[in-house]
Amino acid sequence: AQSVAQPEDQVNVAEGNPLTVKCTYSVSGNPYLFWYVQYPNRGLQFLLKYITGDNLVKGSYGFEAEFNKSQTSFHLKKPSALVSDSALYFCAVVPGGYQKVTFGIGTKLQVIP
Amino acid sequence: NAGVTQTPKFQVLKTGQSMTLQCAQDMNHNSMYWYRQDPGMGLRLIYYSASEGTTDKGEVPNGYNVSRLNKREFSLRLESAAPSQTSVYFCASGDRSNQPQHFGDGTRLSIL
Repeated sequence: AQSVAQPEDQVNVAEGNPLTVKCTYSVSGNPYLFWYVQYPNRGLQFLLKYITGDNLVKGSYGFEAEFNKSQTSFHLKKPSALVSDSALYFCAVVPGGYQKVTFGIGTKLQVIP
Repeated sequence: NAGVTQTPKFQVLKTGQSMTLQCAQDMNHNSMYWYRQDPGMGLRLIYYSASEGTTDKGEVPNGYNVSRLNKREFSLRLESAAPSQTSVYFCASGDRSNQPQHFGDGTRLSIL
């Protein structure tokens, strides 16, 4: 069975500082990994995905994520946080192939002006 | 640029009532999904459809039925609503069966 963990319910960071939102996963075989962002009263927006290839994946709005196979992690990062980045962030995983995506419970990011 | 459209946005039902949540996408995606979002639970897959004419159960299918009416539309039906089905429901679509890409803005459903 596959699973994904987001160990922090909330992350607080000062505007302009780098941010990291953590995600670890457990899956058999090669994982497909995703990050999504959700703003209040809106649906999820796709940020980026890792399928194969370069371990550093770049996505929308200046976000990037690093796939680390040995640590089974896929942490979301941004060099300089904006107040507008404040939102709920979801990590998701699926084993390679046509199976069902599993979402984490989400991490609330609060960027403090 | 509609993307994924869900109707209604809000609904209050009484226990035992039935209703259908509608979802339509205009991106010509093959795959469509229904999720529910509950506090502390993340998103849980209810049903999905990998292509027109096919549907499959997700993690929490009990109490729900779905119809993939055509490539654009994927509806979710509650036959006899229960308070445990109070949730926010999201429809999503994607061009591959294991990669939901676009989400609607959700239907907030309360069952009394």
